[in-house]
Amino acid sequence: AQRVTQPEKLLSVFKGAPVELKCNYSYSGSPELFWYVQYSRQRLQLLLRHISRESIKGFTADLNKGETSFHLKKPFAQEEDSAMYYCALEMNRDDKIIFGKGTRLHILP
Amino acid sequence: DAGVTQSPTHLIKTRGQQVTLRCSPKSGHDTVSWYQQALGQGPQFIFQYYEEEERQRGNFPDRFSGHQFPNYSSELNVNALLLGDSALYLCASSPGTGGPLRAEYFGPGTRLTVT
Repeated sequence: AQRVTQPEKLLSVFKGAPVELKCNYSYSGSPELFWYVQYSRQRLQLLLRHISRESIKGFTADLNKGETSFHLKKPFAQEEDSAMYYCALEMNRDDKIIFGKGTRLHILP
Repeated sequence: DAGVTQSPTHLIKTRGQQVTLRCSPKSGHDTVSWYQQALGQGPQFIFQYYEEEERQRGNFPDRFSGHQFPNYSSELNVNALLLGDSALYLCASSPGTGGPLRAEYFGPGTRLTVT
């Protein structure tokens, strides 16, 4: 069955340390993957999508089809990165969309 | 531009009742998607409307229905409410065609509690 797994519910990282939020997916077709972020008391918003191969707020994510992963990375964490992060998969073949359960990133001072 | 707006903010209903939630898309957007987010879970896609028609649908029963008006605003209707329908309902809008996850602009949500 198709699914998106974010194994960590909570990730605590010291300011200035590297960040990696894990996302694994299960899908046999060609996936489109996204990261969404929700800051405290703000709306859910798109952070980045793999097809754009962009870097937003210092975050990058590379699609690894061999490992079926789309981990979100940032070399140096900042306090304003504290938020809830969701990985999402759009399965073109089935037109289905699946979100992971999310990881709460807490940046320690 | 206020972005995507939703009403009401909070709603309490009794099991078996019916509810209507409303969404106004961001200016210039003509596609509206609805999501259900239960506590501690990620959003689950319900359906998407474009040109006043349902274009895509997730795994939700027929009790969940929707409508899009000529001004692109949308309603989500849920009939015969169950306790399990308690959740945050999110609306998202986007311009033009594309799958639901092109919907980049989310509203603040409507918190529905079914007792």
